[in-house]
Amino acid sequence: DVKVTQSSRYLVKRTGEKVFLECVQDMDHENMFWYRQDPGLGLRLIYFSYDVKMKEKGDIPEGYSVSREKKERFSLILESASTNQTSMYLCASSLYLGDQETQYFGPGTRLLVL
Amino acid sequence: KNQVEQSPQSLIILEGKNCTLQCNYTVSPFSNLRWYKQDTGRGPVSLTIMTFSENTKSNGRYTATLDADTKQSSLHITASQLSDSASYICVVSGNSGGGADGLTFGKGTHLIIQP
Repeated sequence: DVKVTQSSRYLVKRTGEKVFLECVQDMDHENMFWYRQDPGLGLRLIYFSYDVKMKEKGDIPEGYSVSREKKERFSLILESASTNQTSMYLCASSLYLGDQETQYFGPGTRLLVL
Repeated sequence: KNQVEQSPQSLIILEGKNCTLQCNYTVSPFSNLRWYKQDTGRGPVSLTIMTFSENTKSNGRYTATLDADTKQSSLHITASQLSDSASYICVVSGNSGGGADGLTFGKGTHLIIQP
């Protein structure tokens, strides 16, 4: 079974703090994704990575950066957290990029920025 | 603009009853459609995936249908159980060349099963 884990289930940070969200997958998947999920808005893609050290912007990359130094690990960084970044953050991975590929999601990190 | 609309937004039914969730999309070109189940506080889990040529697919008590002509899909849940309480998300892929940005997510239907 594919396992995608996220470093924290709940996180509380203050405005202006630098925040790191970590995601690890154990199935040697090429691709990893970061989404945020907000009530009434559904899932929105922030960034994705199709290879080590490679990244692509999603729909809402502003205020975020990512890092993929190892294949199994994909980090989402909030350089200076703001209250509008309070959200549920979901990491996902897939073996290939392509229409037939299913993304496997982690359990999510609920971030509260005060 | 590609859009996926789901209805109803929320639904409450009694345990043992059947229900049907709807998904309408305007994604073009269409490649495939997925239904995900997301339990509260968890990540989404794939239930079904259907391509253009498939008009029905089952996964246990879940049956998804697709009408590519009218751009509609439905997810039918038979003999509902308390564990079916979750959000159900419709995701349409419209990028035949692949790429994460080809996915369009619906906002989900929040289903509550009451005993």
